[in-house]
Amino acid sequence: QVQLVQSGAEVKKPGASVKVSCKASGYSFTGYYMHWVRQAPGHGLEWMGWIIPSSGDTKYAQRFQGRVTMTRDTSINTAYMEVTRLRPDDTAVYYCARVGVSDDYWGQGTLVTVSS
Amino acid sequence: QSALTQPASVSGSPGQSITISCTGTNTDVGGYNFVSWYQQHPGKAPKLIIYDVSKRPSGVSNRFSGSKSGNTASLTISGLRTGDEADYYCSSYTRSSTYVFGTGTEVTVL
Repeated sequence: QVQLVQSGAEVKKPGASVKVSCKASGYSFTGYYMHWVRQAPGHGLEWMGWIIPSSGDTKYAQRFQGRVTMTRDTSINTAYMEVTRLRPDDTAVYYCARVGVSDDYWGQGTLVTVSS
Repeated sequence: QSALTQPASVSGSPGQSITISCTGTNTDVGGYNFVSWYQQHPGKAPKLIIYDVSKRPSGVSNRFSGSKSGNTASLTISGLRTGDEADYYCSSYTRSSTYVFGTGTEVTVL
């Protein structure tokens, strides 16, 4: 069965960086885009970007360009999402998601807390 | 890219039908038939319930239906049930080859 397992919760100080991992299993990792979505506490969903695992090509939402980097390691079927220059308003649950044409699978979410 | 506009809350009685709107522009909702809807229960990951404006993934109840007119997409839930209480988000592909979510709608079953 398809599974996306994300790394654990993180607490970071403003200005630091965080890298969240998403390990995929149960399907061909290189066959599907991987999206990253975040949700601040009590707020809505925010699309951050996608990566094509087969090529490494990426596309980011404009507001994250320059501060977010998505990568992947096809040898271990894992996608990564790094946010630099963290701010308190980056506090959120970060999800990876394999959204296919007619189905979707989501990771369990990773809570990133940014606080001094 | 601004978030798509949804009503903050919609409510209905069990058995009734409700409709949630999702308004964008001709560079997203109006320009492509790639509107999706997600259901999110508290503390859970979102779940896809409608894709390509009106198609349902396998296993999703036919009580959920989607449509689009111009720059506004709509999700209708018929035969409302207590288990339908959740947050609902629309999403659209955009001219920039990105995606954008709606502001979200809280559905309450009275």
